[in-house]
Amino acid sequence: AQKVTQAQTEISVVEKEDVTLDCVYETRDTTYYLFWYKQPPSGELVFLIRRNSFDEQNEISGRYSWNFQKSTSSFNFTITASQVVDSAVYFCALSRGGQGAQKLVFGQGTRLTINP
Amino acid sequence: KAGVTQTPRYLIKTRGQQVTLSCSPISGHRSVSWYQQTPGQGLQFLFEYFSETQRNKGNFPGRFSGRQFSNSRSEMNVSTLELGDSALYLCASSLGQGAYFNEQFFGPGTRLTVL
Repeated sequence: AQKVTQAQTEISVVEKEDVTLDCVYETRDTTYYLFWYKQPPSGELVFLIRRNSFDEQNEISGRYSWNFQKSTSSFNFTITASQVVDSAVYFCALSRGGQGAQKLVFGQGTRLTINP
Repeated sequence: KAGVTQTPRYLIKTRGQQVTLSCSPISGHRSVSWYQQTPGQGLQFLFEYFSETQRNKGNFPGRFSGRQFSNSRSEMNVSTLELGDSALYLCASSLGQGAYFNEQFFGPGTRLTVL
C-alpha cells in the first residue's frame, strides 16, 4: 500500500525566513510519481511540482526548491525568503505508474503561516 | 482556456437525502477524478473516470457512485447521506492518456454540509 506522511501539521514563520516542509513516502512500486500541491483558503489545489521515481535531480523554481532522496524515501520542499502570499496548506502526494497513475495518495498536509 | 468548474459550490442537505455533484473538465481532457476532503481523513481518492468508464476506485462504500458523459463531464452521487459525508468534494481533470501521469487540474470544489 502507498502512504505519505507529512509530520509537520503546522508551521509558522516570520516573512523572509526560509522554511522546509517534510514529506516521507512509502511504496513498493518501482515506478511512481511524487507531487506537491498548494491549497490556498479558496480551496482549489494548485499543482507545484511532479517528480518521477527515476529522476532524483533536485529542482529549483524561483524561491521554491525540492529535494528528492530515494534512499530516505523523502521529497522535501523548501521556500526561500518566504512571503505572506505563501501562506496556505501544502500537500505532498504519491501515485503509481501505469493505469493507476491518476490516483493520488495525499499526506495530511502542512499548514504554513507566514507572518509579516 | 476555461478551468475545471464544479457545481454547485455549496450545498446543504439532511441525513438520508441524496445529492448529485457536477464537474466540467477542461476542454480536451478525458479523465475526471473525484476526491473527498475532510478535517479528519484528509484528502481521499474516490474514483476516476476516463472515456465514460470507471478506471480507478478508492475505498468508499457503495453509496458513493459516479458517471461520466460522452462530453467528459462527470457527476458523482451520494445516496443516504450521513453526517460524516460533510466534506469538500474536489474534482480534477487531466488528459488521462497513456500509462503515465498526466497533470491534474483541480476545480474549486463543492462544499457539502449534511445536517
